[in-house]
Parts: sequence; structure tokens; C-alpha cells
Amino acid sequence: QKEVEQDPGPLSVPEGAIVSLNCTYSNSAFQYFMWYRQYSRKGPELLMYTYSSGNKEDGRFTAQVDKSSKYISLFIRDSQPSDSATYLCAMSPGGNKLVFGAGTILRVKS
Amino acid sequence: NAGVMQNPRHLVRRRGQEARLRCSPMKGHSHVYWYRQLPEEGLKFMVYLQKENIIDESGMPKERFSAEFPKEGPSILRIQQVVRGDSAAYFCASSPRDSQNGYTFGSGTRLTVV
Repeated sequence: QKEVEQDPGPLSVPEGAIVSLNCTYSNSAFQYFMWYRQYSRKGPELLMYTYSSGNKEDGRFTAQVDKSSKYISLFIRDSQPSDSATYLCAMSPGGNKLVFGAGTILRVKS
Repeated sequence: NAGVMQNPRHLVRRRGQEARLRCSPMKGHSHVYWYRQLPEEGLKFMVYLQKENIIDESGMPKERFSAEFPKEGPSILRIQQVVRGDSAAYFCASSPRDSQNGYTFGSGTRLTVV
């Protein structure tokens, strides 16, 4: 079993839809949770960072962490074609080593 | 302020050759990380370095792979005697200090072994 599980998709939605992306994990020591966006042939770009449980909102993006269920989510409101990318969750117990999910491919159709 | 610079962007090597991947961190960043991304897989941690020190190399294969971050110049990831299974995208990231809230990635080097 992988430490971090993420549905690879692809997830295809119409423009303007609300997108929900999720990861589950098995290591209860994880305290720091991140979402990265990766466009084709580019490096990952940090979107959201959350420490421990709770919600965090930044513009159209909301990150949620439920440590009791070992489950994290990223919501994208009013999705745009420019949001089409691969979304990677990443987490860490602390220190400097991030454990990534395999990534979910998102396609937003105009 | 330039971001994390990696070169070359693409590298083709024949089996048995050596591959050298370079990474210049963002200005002011003293911590460098290397990750490998295989097709349809997430990024896998390889090594974490500070200037002149390897802090954590728990993700590095035991043989053929080495990394350094000298006092002057870029960080180097070196793969000796490459095999086809080394074909992947190699990403470097940097941070200004111990960074538990993510760090900045470069655009990667895509290594193809033929």
C-alpha cells in the first residue's frame, strides 16, 4: 500500500464547475499538507499549504485536511480552462522530505 | 529574481554513459532537494543537501547515483553508467532554510537513456 493514494483521473469538468480533488494517506505522523499544480513539461508549483487539520482558502482554492480520517481535499471554484493541469498532493511529518501522491489530471472544458 | 534553474532541460545518454544534471537554487536559498518523477507516478524524494553537506540521502539508489552542492556553483546530480530505467524527469527544488511548508521547484531535466 502506498503512503499517499490519489486517483489519477483524468477528471473532466465543464468550465465554471466546482472541482474536488482528494488524497488519502496512511502515515499518521504527517503534519504538513500541500497541493501542487503541474502543467505539462513544467515543474510543480505550490498552490496551497496547510498545517495539521482545518481549512484554508485562497481565492478560488480551498484546502481541507481531516487528520482523523487521513483525508485531504482541494476544491476549485469557478474552474477555468487554465486550471487544466495535474494536481499533486504532498505531505510531510516535518523536516524536509515530502511524500507525493501520483497526481490527478484535471481537464476543464470551455 | 530568477527561479530555480535546471540544465540541461533535456538530456539523452546511451546506456553506460554518465549523466550530470545541474541545479542553481533561487537567490538566497541554501537548501536543495532532488526528486525523480517516473511516467504516471508522483515525485519521489532522492536527496536533500545544504552547502557542502548531504543532509538526507535516504531516497538515493545505493549505486551509481551521487549528489553534491559545493560551496561555489550549482548542485550536481550525477548518474554513472546509466540504464534505461533511469529515464525520468529529475526535479530540483530549493528553500531558504528548513522548509516544512513546501519549496520552489525548477522546470526539471528530462533524461532519456537510449
